[in-house]
This record gives sequence, structure tokens and C-alpha cells, in this order.
Amino acid sequence: QKEVEQNSGPLSVPEGAIASLNCTYSDRVSQSFFWYRQYSGKSPELIMSIYSNGDKEDGRFTAQLNKASQYVSLLIRDSQPSDSATYLCAVSNQAGTALIFGKGTTLSVSS
Amino acid sequence: EAGVTQSPTHLIKTRGQQATLRCSPISGHTSVYWYQQALGLGLQFLLWYDEGEERNRGNFPPRFSGRQFPNYSSELNVNALELEDSALYLCASSRTLNVNIQYFGAGTRLSVL
Repeated sequence: QKEVEQNSGPLSVPEGAIASLNCTYSDRVSQSFFWYRQYSGKSPELIMSIYSNGDKEDGRFTAQLNKASQYVSLLIRDSQPSDSATYLCAVSNQAGTALIFGKGTTLSVSS
Repeated sequence: EAGVTQSPTHLIKTRGQQATLRCSPISGHTSVYWYQQALGLGLQFLLWYDEGEERNRGNFPPRFSGRQFPNYSSELNVNALELEDSALYLCASSRTLNVNIQYFGAGTRLSVL
């Protein structure tokens, strides 16, 4: 059973700080990695995708991938209260026929 | 451009009944995915349809089934409902045959009493 593991949190950071969200996955041959944000009572929204080792930046968000360590992370700089949500890590299976989601990390940004 | 639409928003059923959930993908998207999000279990992959065919199935019993219509809309059927089927059912769509960038609908909240 391929798994994606995330710390459920809650992760609490003050406004303006850097929030660091982590994810590990068990399928060594996974090729595609995604971060989704889900506000309470809403559907998941894609915020980042990453396919190669290293960092990928998009505005205040940076995704980091280390395939050797089977680790993907999401950094949120200058955290805002509006960033308070559950962040879901998703990894594609080897065949690219399904996304496997972690249970999510709840982030709380206090003003 | 309209997003992924799901109906109904809420559905209340009793044990043993059947539930039918509907999804319309984003225009131009041919793939539709169904997920179950139960409390404490996270998003669990149910089914993937593309071009009218079932392409992949998650680890769910056969009483979870579905289909995709020629206009790419999709239906999820859950037979012989059990209490533990109570969950948020999310539909997502994408453009390509492979798992790719998926856009989610607002979901159908199914409650089994």
C-alpha cells in the first residue's frame, strides 16, 4: 500500500513568519507531486506542482523536492491569516493513474 | 469558464438505500475522478473515468460504481449504503489521460442514517 504521510498539526505560526509543511511518500518511483489547500468546508485547490528535485517558487510559496529522501515540502513565506487552512500533499502513483493524498496538515496563522 | 459542478450538495439516505451523485467536468476536460473524504481518513481515491471508460479503481468494494457519459459528465452510484459511507464525495476533472492537474468540485455531502 503506497502511502503519503503528513504531520496532522495543527501547525501554528504568527503572521509574517515562515510556515514549513512536510510530506514523505513511500513509492520510490513517484514522479509528480502536488500541494493542495483546503479551507474548512471547501474543496481542495491546487497551489503548487513539482516534478524535479530542487526548489520551485511561486510568489510566497516554495515547493521543495528530494526524491532520494522521498520528501517534499512546502514553505509559505510572510504567512497571512488567510493562509490558515489544511494543506494536502498528493503524489502520483507509478503508472500515473491515481493521486495518493496525505491526510493533510492544518495550518493556523495568528494575527 | 464554469468549474467542476456537483449535485446534489447534500444527500441524506438510510442504510441499505442507493445513492447517485453527479459531476460535470470543466469544459474541455475528458477525465473525471471521484474521491471520498471521510472524517479522519483524508482523501481516498475511488474511480477514474476517461473517454467513457473506467481507467482505474481505488480500494473500494464493488457497490461503489459509476459511469461517464458521452458529454464527459459522470455519475457515482453507491449501493447498499452503510453508515460508514457517510462522507464528502469530491469529483475532480483534468485535461489529460494521465493523472495531472486536477480541479475539484465543491462536493456532495452524503449522510447515511
